[in-house]
Amino acid sequence: QSALTQPPSASGSPGQSVSMSCTGISSDVGGSNYVSWYQQLPGKGPKLIIFEVYKRPSGVPDRFSGSKSGNTASLTVSGLQAEDEADYYCSSYAGSNNFDVVFGGGTKLTVL
Amino acid sequence: QVQLKQWGAGLLKPSGTLSLTCAVYSGSFSDRSWTWIRQPPGKGLDWIGEINQSGSTNYSPSLKSRVTISASTSRNQFSLKLTSVTAADTAVYYCATFDKGGYYFDFWGQGTLVTVSS
Repeated sequence: QSALTQPPSASGSPGQSVSMSCTGISSDVGGSNYVSWYQQLPGKGPKLIIFEVYKRPSGVPDRFSGSKSGNTASLTVSGLQAEDEADYYCSSYAGSNNFDVVFGGGTKLTVL
Repeated sequence: QVQLKQWGAGLLKPSGTLSLTCAVYSGSFSDRSWTWIRQPPGKGLDWIGEINQSGSTNYSPSLKSRVTISASTSRNQFSLKLTSVTAADTAVYYCATFDKGGYYFDFWGQGTLVTVSS
């Protein structure tokens, strides 16, 4: 069982916006501005698309945006494109215990 | 642009030792650690462990007794060894750099499918 909860699936038509959630607790998502999101295209390795809740690495389209409210972080994909069909994983700082980061179980985004 | 390229055996017998190596190009430790993450077929991401610039390591509690991560800073490479593997260790294994300032994995290797089967 993953530490962060993500819905298993999400979908939208080309051009639409779709949001997916990542829910944790006060000691990880709720208490941290260190939430990141990863895109995993079919058969590929993960790619960082959002870090520190809303920041985008160079080269990531601004169609991808991140936000956070309370214990839930969200990733929004605007102007959905067929190439956005992928699995999306969130992760969050979780405090200095053994290691600092926990993952969500992933959301499969389908472009209809 | 940092690139990670990884290699190692893809098929192991139960009780064998998994051994993977990752080379880091155009990057160094700086404020990062070097990590290993795995993904069982059809499942999510599981953190295995990390090594820091000082050579100190942290491991997942569930794997700690069987895992060793080492590094050669002169060659910009780091390695994963996992002993006494079982079918439950079948997964795609990724190496990745971890930004310790922002707590995110910024660069990833291409992944290696390791299958444990008799």
